[in-house]
Amino acid sequence: SQQGEEDPQALSIQEGENATMNCSYKTSINNLQWYRQNSGRGLVHLILIRSNEREKHSGRLRVTLDTSKKSSSLLITASRAADTASYFCAMRGSYGKLTFGQGTILTVHP
Amino acid sequence: DVKVTQSSRYLVKRTGEKVFLECVQDMDHENMFWYRQDPGLGLRLIYFSYDVKMKEKGDIPEGYSVSREKKERFSLILESASTNQTSMYLCASSSRLAGPPDTQYFGPGTRLTVL
Repeated sequence: SQQGEEDPQALSIQEGENATMNCSYKTSINNLQWYRQNSGRGLVHLILIRSNEREKHSGRLRVTLDTSKKSSSLLITASRAADTASYFCAMRGSYGKLTFGQGTILTVHP
Repeated sequence: DVKVTQSSRYLVKRTGEKVFLECVQDMDHENMFWYRQDPGLGLRLIYFSYDVKMKEKGDIPEGYSVSREKKERFSLILESASTNQTSMYLCASSSRLAGPPDTQYFGPGTRLTVL
């Protein structure tokens, strides 16, 4: 399976700063998604980028995709304490299966 | 809004017990999934189902089975629980036919401890 690798594993920043998380994968993809998980809870879908797209925005989120490098990044601008969570990238396989990365733990200090 | 519910938030069982984890979704989704989540290992797919009575093995099916008798309900069964099955179990659903493609909607998770 093509589990993604995320980097960094943990990120600690101050409120108002930007947070960047990276995801690399091994085989070709149809789309790549990012999810957020608050402590001890289920995951929530944030944004999806298709393989023919290079950049996508949603509010304070910006996702880029470089299929030649098999990598994606998630940028959260002007972070808030409420953004503290784990963030996962996920690659789509057959039957809508997703393979998740190991996640980046983001801590935003007020 | 899509709602995925799981039967328990916390569960404590003994080694050798048969354990049932239930998941129900209310959006008529075709696909349903069971994951386990462990520190440092991320989410790993145990089983999934793309239709009633259909099931497919994921990456780590050993020690588990599933049942999908109705479209809205997907059950994960631990036939004989072992301590290495102590984990957070997450259920998810998605639709091939409606809504954002491939987006999975997750339940709140069941934290299972096997003693």
